[in-house]
Amino acid sequence: AQSVSQHNHHVILSEAASLELGCNYSYGGTVNLFWYVQYPGQHLQLLLKYFSGDPLVKGIKGFEAEFIKSKFSFNLRKPSVQWSDTAEYFCAVNYGSNTGKLIFGQGTTLQVKP
Amino acid sequence: NAGVTQTPKFQVLKTGQSMTLQCAQDMNHNSMYWYRQDPGMGLRLIYYSASEGTTDKGEVPNGYNVSRLNKREFSLRLESAAPSQTSVYFCASSEGKGTPQHFGDGTRLSIL
Repeated sequence: AQSVSQHNHHVILSEAASLELGCNYSYGGTVNLFWYVQYPGQHLQLLLKYFSGDPLVKGIKGFEAEFIKSKFSFNLRKPSVQWSDTAEYFCAVNYGSNTGKLIFGQGTTLQVKP
Repeated sequence: NAGVTQTPKFQVLKTGQSMTLQCAQDMNHNSMYWYRQDPGMGLRLIYYSASEGTTDKGEVPNGYNVSRLNKREFSLRLESAAPSQTSVYFCASSEGKGTPQHFGDGTRLSIL
């Protein structure tokens, strides 16, 4: 079955620390990969996406992610987090369907301490 | 430029009551989706509409029905609400295959 797994459910960091959130997906051929962020009380917003080409993709607010096909992974990184990065982060995968359906991971809550 | 608009934002129902959640998008997107968000479970797809005139079941369709009224609007109906349907419901839209989805602000639904 198609599935997406986020390893870290709750991460607590101090400001300026580096961040890496793991995301793995089950094998399914061609995939399109996304990271979304949900700030407290808000809707989901797109951070970055990977369709093809350079496996290192850069998104908004200094976030980046690396697609490693051999590991079925798409980890999210940020060199130095800020208090304003406190949010819930979701990895999502489109398994190449014509419908654009996304399978979401369980989400990771990031708390950044000032 | 409103994007995806959901109504209502909050609702409390009694078990057995029915309700329709409304969603409209102004981006001329082909595809629309309904998700529910529950703690520790991420977002789970209830129903989707790949294009106007079509709807299909997602991961958790039981207890729900949908209508793609036109290209702009996609409604979700609970015919007989149950406490297990207490959740936050998000509507989303996209241009189609593999493109990013744009989300509404959500409807927080409580069923007593």
